Amino acid sequence: GAGVSQSPSNKVTEKGKDVELRCDPISGHTALYWYRQSLGQGLEFLIYFQGNSAPDKSGLPSDRFSAERTGGSVSTLTIQRTQQEDSAVYLCASSLGLESDTQYFGPGTRLTVL
Amino acid sequence: AQSVTQLGSHVSVSEGALVLLRCNYSSSVPPYLFWYVQYPNQGLQLLLKYTTGATLVKGINGFEAEFKKSETSFHLTKPSAHMSDAAEYFCAVIGAGSYQLTFGKGTKLSVIP
Repeated sequence: GAGVSQSPSNKVTEKGKDVELRCDPISGHTALYWYRQSLGQGLEFLIYFQGNSAPDKSGLPSDRFSAERTGGSVSTLTIQRTQQEDSAVYLCASSLGLESDTQYFGPGTRLTVL
Repeated sequence: AQSVTQLGSHVSVSEGALVLLRCNYSSSVPPYLFWYVQYPNQGLQLLLKYTTGATLVKGINGFEAEFKKSETSFHLTKPSAHMSDAAEYFCAVIGAGSYQLTFGKGTKLSVIP
């Protein structure tokens, strides 16, 4: 079947604007994750969903970042009032739901804040 | 909290030579351990993982890794490097009771013809 898909693949925005990043997980995967990859910080965990609820939001760097998941499927990561330090590749992953299950990653969204 | 250390941000090997990428972790036991590979402008692809059972784990593309609890290591090896192995490799851990992957800084592998 299809893998994890993310859109857009690239997003350029101006400082202060809001952006929405979308993730479509693998069908049947109950767990969904967002990570961020940047040159300075490497790969960082942002948030984890089990179904539509987010038991672990510990990685969200500020209250400008939020995420939701609807219908146990698609997820949207929203960044409000973007800053230049938000520039990074945002990766989404999904899994069957156990700790030890493989997380399958999408191709990412490259966000550039000017 | 978990942490992962990958020794060497950049490793170069000749085509046909042994590949050894080092990974040490700090985590509650037992951890779940993973190696992912990332090709340029692509997402992460799982190479192999250790959850329970046999400590020598075989993955895709001829790679394998051995979980050594006493050394808190999970080094990645491949007997003979191929040009197509050139990529960035990430070691990651999930600690008990957690679902988030904690990644090392990555090792970029270059293969010299």
